[in-house]
Amino acid sequence: AQSVTQLDSQVPVFEEAPVELRCNYSSSVSVYLFWYVQYPNQGLQLLLKYLSGSTLVESINGFEAEFNKSQTSFHLRKPSVHISDTAEYFCAVSGGGTPLVFGKGTRLSVIA
Amino acid sequence: EAGVVQSPRYKIIEKKQPVAFWCNPISGHNTLYWYRQNLGQGPELLIRYENEEAVDDSQLPKDRFSAERLKGVDSTLKIQPAELGDSAVYLCASEGGRAFKDEQFFGPGTRLTVL
Repeated sequence: AQSVTQLDSQVPVFEEAPVELRCNYSSSVSVYLFWYVQYPNQGLQLLLKYLSGSTLVESINGFEAEFNKSQTSFHLRKPSVHISDTAEYFCAVSGGGTPLVFGKGTRLSVIA
Repeated sequence: EAGVVQSPRYKIIEKKQPVAFWCNPISGHNTLYWYRQNLGQGPELLIRYENEEAVDDSQLPKDRFSAERLKGVDSTLKIQPAELGDSAVYLCASEGGRAFKDEQFFGPGTRLTVL
């Protein structure tokens, strides 16, 4: 069975500061990894994904995540956050024909 | 292109009452998912459809929950009777098309409150 652990339930950070949201997964098969973002009162939106190839993946709004197979991690980073990045972020894993399994989420609060 | 549409957005009912949620996926998406998201948790899969066939419903509490996807497009999720513990956000997602393999598109969800 696959599982996802998001180590931080809440992360407060000042505007323009860097941020890292941590995600570790457990799986016995090759995995696909995802980060979804959920703004208040909205559905989940895909932020970025790793399927194969380069282990560093980027989103259009400045986030990046690196797949680290040896550490079974897929941490999300941004060098400088904005107020508009305030949201809930979910890490998810799938693979081997299994459905998406989500972590419990990390609430990012950007402080002006 | 319209996204995944869900209705209603909010529903408040008393326990033991029935309730139904509706989902219209993105046009052309053959795969449809229903998730339940409890407060402070990530979404958990309830059921997955490939066209009109339910291919994974192992997590659906079949004593009170039912779902259908007639004609392989819209889908309805029903709870009868509802219990206090069913209070959650019910999310619908769809997937399809080679360009977006393994990417699920989510609707805004239906927030259910059972009193």
